[in-house]
Amino acid sequence: SAVISQKPSRDICQRGTSLTIQCQVDSQVTMMFWYRQQPGQSLTLIATANQGSEATYESGFVIDKFPISRPNLTFSTLTVSNMSPEDSSIYLCSGGTGTNYGYTFGSGTRLTVV
Amino acid sequence: QKEVEQNSGPLSVPEGAIASLNCTYSDRVSQSFFWYRQYSGKSPELIMSIYSNGDKEDGRFTAQLNKASQYVSLLIRDSQPSDSATYLCATRTGRRALTFGSGTRLQVQP
Repeated sequence: SAVISQKPSRDICQRGTSLTIQCQVDSQVTMMFWYRQQPGQSLTLIATANQGSEATYESGFVIDKFPISRPNLTFSTLTVSNMSPEDSSIYLCSGGTGTNYGYTFGSGTRLTVV
Repeated sequence: QKEVEQNSGPLSVPEGAIASLNCTYSDRVSQSFFWYRQYSGKSPELIMSIYSNGDKEDGRFTAQLNKASQYVSLLIRDSQPSDSATYLCATRTGRRALTFGSGTRLQVQP
């Protein structure tokens, strides 16, 4: 299965600023996704990162707040824009071939907005 | 109704016992089912996948699927303290993203 490198692993940011999180996969994957996980809670899907086109966002998440890029089959970024303390969370990227295998996850980015 | 439901636990079992984790799902078109293990402060790690009714065994882990009852379970035999973690059940339809349950926290007592 694919190995996903995610960075930064953690950051503390000022409100009103933006942070870009990067995920690099060691092999080409068909599907990539971005999730958010609040402490002690399960994973919430933010969006599906589509290669070469606009991401598909879930209800409650919008492109202006969480712009996503996926220029090729091995790389994606998520930007958290105009941050507020409510954006403090763990952000995870995930990817895979979408066939009879599960998806793997990056190591996560722990974001704290102050 | 949540799409994937799990008992949040904690489920406490003694070392060496069998831990039984359960999950129900509401979407009848779900095709693939997964169990992930997540240690505190770490990202989820895939431990089992199952696609057909019945049992699938991998080492100390057995996944069970009953599509008629919309039920998935994970059995962990000879539980070890290192198995203490949160176990997430997930479903998928086609190439879509995974839908996760809220997770069951397992505690294995030495």
